[in-house]
Amino acid sequence: RKEVEQDPGPFNVPEGATVAFNCTYSNSASQSFFWYRQDCRKEPKLLMSVYSSGNEDGRFTAQLNRASQYISLLIRDSKLSDSATYLCAIGSSYKLIFGSGTRLLVRP
Amino acid sequence: NAGVTQTPKFRVLKTGQSMTLLCAQDMNHEYMYWYRQDPGMGLRLIHYSVGEGTTAKGEVPDGYNVSRLKKQNFLLGLESAAPSQTSVYFCASSYSGGDYGYTFGSGTRLTVV
Repeated sequence: RKEVEQDPGPFNVPEGATVAFNCTYSNSASQSFFWYRQDCRKEPKLLMSVYSSGNEDGRFTAQLNRASQYISLLIRDSKLSDSATYLCAIGSSYKLIFGSGTRLLVRP
Repeated sequence: NAGVTQTPKFRVLKTGQSMTLLCAQDMNHEYMYWYRQDPGMGLRLIHYSVGEGTTAKGEVPDGYNVSRLKKQNFLLGLESAAPSQTSVYFCASSYSGGDYGYTFGSGTRLTVV
């Protein structure tokens, strides 16, 4: 079993839709949690951190469920510009382990 | 503000050749990392460093060596390149070992023929 797992997608949604991604992790000692966005042929860029109390940034909401060992990302009112691959990253022992990414395609 | 700079951006090697990838950061970060990214495999950690003069193995270290002689630089070496090392290589740095996420370089696309 991989340490960090994501549904690869693609998720193909119309503009304005709400879409949610999950990411499961196996190390219960994990201490930090993040969502990254990666555009085609570009480096990953930090989208948001994920806290136990949840984290919201505009149309994006991230949540952590330690008991079930997963994090989630909710995107509301999807825009064409949200089309990208979304990577989750789980941290422990001074390093991050990344999921393989979920591809999102937002169509007009 | 340059952040994390990787050189070269592209390279084609023949099997058996050697090369060094350079990562430089100007943020005074203690922690630096080398990842490779392959289709469907996500980012896999090759080696990392928790400070000047230190290195440690990640998930896929075989065939690579690293050095961190200066705090701002982290070098990744391929002594004898193999086609299986064809990949996109990303360097990243962090102030606190990942507690606040990483800053990535723009990547090096390496093809081994």
